Amino acid sequence: DIQMTQSPSFLSASVGDRVTINCKASQNINRYLNWYQQKLGEAPKLLIYNANSLQTGIPSRFSGSGSGTDFTLTISSLQPEDVATYFCLQHNSWRTFGAGTKLELK
Amino acid sequence: EGQLVESGGGLVEPGRSLKLSCAASGFTFSNYVMDWVRQAPKKGLEWVASISTGGGNTYYPDSVKGRFTISRDNAKSTLYLQMNSLRSEDTATYYCAAHSYWGQGVMVTVSS
Repeated sequence: DIQMTQSPSFLSASVGDRVTINCKASQNINRYLNWYQQKLGEAPKLLIYNANSLQTGIPSRFSGSGSGTDFTLTISSLQPEDVATYFCLQHNSWRTFGAGTKLELK
Repeated sequence: EGQLVESGGGLVEPGRSLKLSCAASGFTFSNYVMDWVRQAPKKGLEWVASISTGGGNTYYPDSVKGRFTISRDNAKSTLYLQMNSLRSEDTATYYCAAHSYWGQGVMVTVSS
């Protein structure tokens, strides 16, 4: 089974900061990696699919990069509405989620 | 706009069964691999099951294999999850999902 190690678990940043969240796969998953945002009490929302493709309707301050085993979600300029928990998901071999990163405002 | 609506959750005793449904609308259901994903209270997301577009292939993690069965009816645009031999650790909000489409979730509580 593929394991996903997501870091950091918790992140505190200020409005306007550049924020990065990482996911590392236990084996090569090519580009089969999605990023989701989940706000309190809501279902997850797809932000990035296949490592670097921005889902329709998602602000361009969100971007994804990586391939193989190492992936990054970047928020170029943090906004108050970005406070949420972020998850990665590998879908190269069925599905495995990362443990999540809780992002708060400093 | 695509939409998924889950139903069938509730309180059930350990060892009993429950069947969840997920009704799809606004997109071509039969074109999508469908997933069930769950989230225990204040925990992360856990993949529960997947089914191919035609329904002929199903996949499960070890945590539910042999107890849960995913199925679909493309004519009705509906996804199902039959859950047997339920355990307290199955307590969670269950979401159906298809790429960018996610339902609002349905709560399943396993307790005596």
